[in-house]
Amino acid sequence: ETGVTQSPTHLIKTRGQQVTLRCSSQSGHNTVSWYQQALGQGPQFIFQYYREEENGRGNFPPRFSGLQFPNYSSELNVNALELDDSALYLCASSLTGWNEAFFGQGTRLTVV
Amino acid sequence: TQLLEQSPQFLSIQEGENLTVYCNSSSVFSSLQWYRQEPGEGPVLLVTVVTGGEVKKLKRLTFQFGDARKDSSLHITAAQTGDTGLYLCAGRHNTDKLIFGTGTRLQVFP
Repeated sequence: ETGVTQSPTHLIKTRGQQVTLRCSSQSGHNTVSWYQQALGQGPQFIFQYYREEENGRGNFPPRFSGLQFPNYSSELNVNALELDDSALYLCASSLTGWNEAFFGQGTRLTVV
Repeated sequence: TQLLEQSPQFLSIQEGENLTVYCNSSSVFSSLQWYRQEPGEGPVLLVTVVTGGEVKKLKRLTFQFGDARKDSSLHITAAQTGDTGLYLCAGRHNTDKLIFGTGTRLQVFP
């Protein structure tokens, strides 16, 4: 067990709705990264937060946004959900972006 | 464009067989990692390689980083059913952001 916890574990939303996913990072880790993993594929980098500031973003539209809180936990928000947003969303925490990343178990989002 | 391509995409073998998974790129990576992911779980780090030509062994798993740091391989000797999972390579290319490969799904049958 990595100490990184995500909630909820599963979620079903309707197209057009908004969703918030949560990640509690491992103790002492101030960097959180979010990934989207479609079924059977490798994770795609969404963005990274370091000490409450966005520190790099992948090729995802602005309707994907995030927050990191003073305790280094993080949220991923997705607005105007589309069917293609259905995926496993993973968060990973690390001491810095260069250190080993520890992944949570993910949130399985289904958009119908 | 996928920076890291893995092959094969799927692999189905019997217990006791050997296998090799490849991770290729046209870009140079400062380091490369291999993960295994089981259904309903996040990826778990197996190894990190940082030096061109480096070989690391983890029990029955052998990892190699290419001399030019553009490719890597994972060789499993005498596969077991417990090796079943999704194997992912991931690298850092000019930044501290991890880029994942396309993944290789391994199924080992008894």
